[in-house]
Amino acid sequence: GENVEQHPSTLSVQEGDSAVIKCTYSDSASNYFPWYKQELGKRPQLIIDIRSNVGEKKDQRIAVTLNKTAKHFSLHITETQPEDSAVYFCAAGGGADGLTFGKGTHLIIQP
Amino acid sequence: DAMVIQNPRYQVTQFGKPVTLSCSQTLNHNVMYWYQQKSSQAPKLLFHYYDKDFNNEADTPDNFQSRRPNTSFCFLDIRSPGLGDAAMYLCATSSLGQKNIQYFGAGTRLSVL
Repeated sequence: GENVEQHPSTLSVQEGDSAVIKCTYSDSASNYFPWYKQELGKRPQLIIDIRSNVGEKKDQRIAVTLNKTAKHFSLHITETQPEDSAVYFCAAGGGADGLTFGKGTHLIIQP
Repeated sequence: DAMVIQNPRYQVTQFGKPVTLSCSQTLNHNVMYWYQQKSSQAPKLLFHYYDKDFNNEADTPDNFQSRRPNTSFCFLDIRSPGLGDAAMYLCATSSLGQKNIQYFGAGTRLSVL
C-alpha cells in the first residue's frame, strides 16, 4: 500500500516569513495529492491539492509543487500570519480509494 | 451549511459495550469513508464504500464494521470497544465526478471508560 512520509514534524517560523513542508510517497499509482489544515478539535480542511499531471499550483499565499519522478511534493506558505498556525497534513491517493496521510506538521507562527 | 454531518459529536461508551457512530451527507456523493484519528496522529483510513461496495483496509480490526443503508447515511459500528479505540472518528465523502476531493465531517470523539 501507499506510504507517505512528512517532514518536519514541527516547524516554527517568524510571522511574515515563509514555511515549507515536504512529503514523499511510495505508490507510483497515486495521482492526487491534497493538503489539509487542521486546527485543534476541528475537522481537516482542504487548503490546496495537486494532480499528477501538474507540476505546480498556486492559490494566493499557498503553493504546492509536485515532482512525480522523485515522488515528492511540497507545501509553500509565504508571508505567514498568526492564523496559519495549525497542523498541516499531506496526503496521497487515487481513484475512489481513501487517502493515506502523512503524520502531520505542527506549524507555529511566532509573532 | 454542514454538508457532512456526524452524530454525536462526543460519545462515551464503556469497555466492551457496542457503539454506533453516524454520518450523513447532503452532497449525494457516491463514496463515503471512515477514518480514525488518535491524538496527535494522522487520520487513518478504516474502510470506504463506493456506492454499495464495501472496501476494508487490510489492517482494520474485525471489531470495526460499517453499514451504508442508502447514499446519504453511513454508520460505523464498534462491536466491543477497547481503551485503544478511543479516538476521533472522521467521516468523509467524495464524488469521482469532482476529482476525488474529500469533504470531512466534524468528527465524533469517542471515549471508552
